[in-house]
Amino acid sequence: KNEVEQSPQNLTAQEGEFITINCSYSVGISALHWLQQHPGGGIVSLFMLSSGKKKHGRLIATINIQEKHSSLHITASHPRDSAVYICAVRSEYGNKLVFGAGTILRVKS
Amino acid sequence: NAGVMQNPRHLVRRRGQEARLRCSPMKGHSHVYWYRQLPEEGLKFMVYLQKENIIDESGMPKERFSAEFPKEGPSILRIQQVVRGDSAAYFCASSPMTGSNTEAFFGQGTRLTVV
Repeated sequence: KNEVEQSPQNLTAQEGEFITINCSYSVGISALHWLQQHPGGGIVSLFMLSSGKKKHGRLIATINIQEKHSSLHITASHPRDSAVYICAVRSEYGNKLVFGAGTILRVKS
Repeated sequence: NAGVMQNPRHLVRRRGQEARLRCSPMKGHSHVYWYRQLPEEGLKFMVYLQKENIIDESGMPKERFSAEFPKEGPSILRIQQVVRGDSAAYFCASSPMTGSNTEAFFGQGTRLTVV
């Protein structure tokens, strides 16, 4: 079992829909990151969380430390949100990131 | 303030050649991480360096791969005698310090193709 599990693996949505991507992890962490990667592109950091909730524009990220679970929400989704969304955790004992497999999101107009 | 700069963006090598991937961290960042993304797979940690020191190389293949981060200049990931299985996207990330609240900034990646 991977230390970081994401669901769903693939997600297709209609423009305007509310989207949720989930991330569960099995290790103690000091921080959790949500990242975005466009096809052939670089990796952009969306959020870094150690507790609670953060919001940036149409994106919201939450984390529940006790349940070892985080969610990324996209409100009023748009085709330009189509990308791979990756959850990554930083172990409480080290500095490296451990990544989920990613969620491929496609938003259709 | 330029972000993390990686070059080249694309690199094609024949089997048996050497590949050198460069990463210039953000200004003021002294910590560099290399990650590899194999086709159809997730990102995997390779090595963590500070200036002139390798801190954690637990993700590096035992042979042919090496990394350095000299006092001056970019960090270099070097792959000797490349094989087709080395074809992947290699990402570098940098941070100003270590610790739980450290944001990591990623480069655009180097896409290595071994033919």
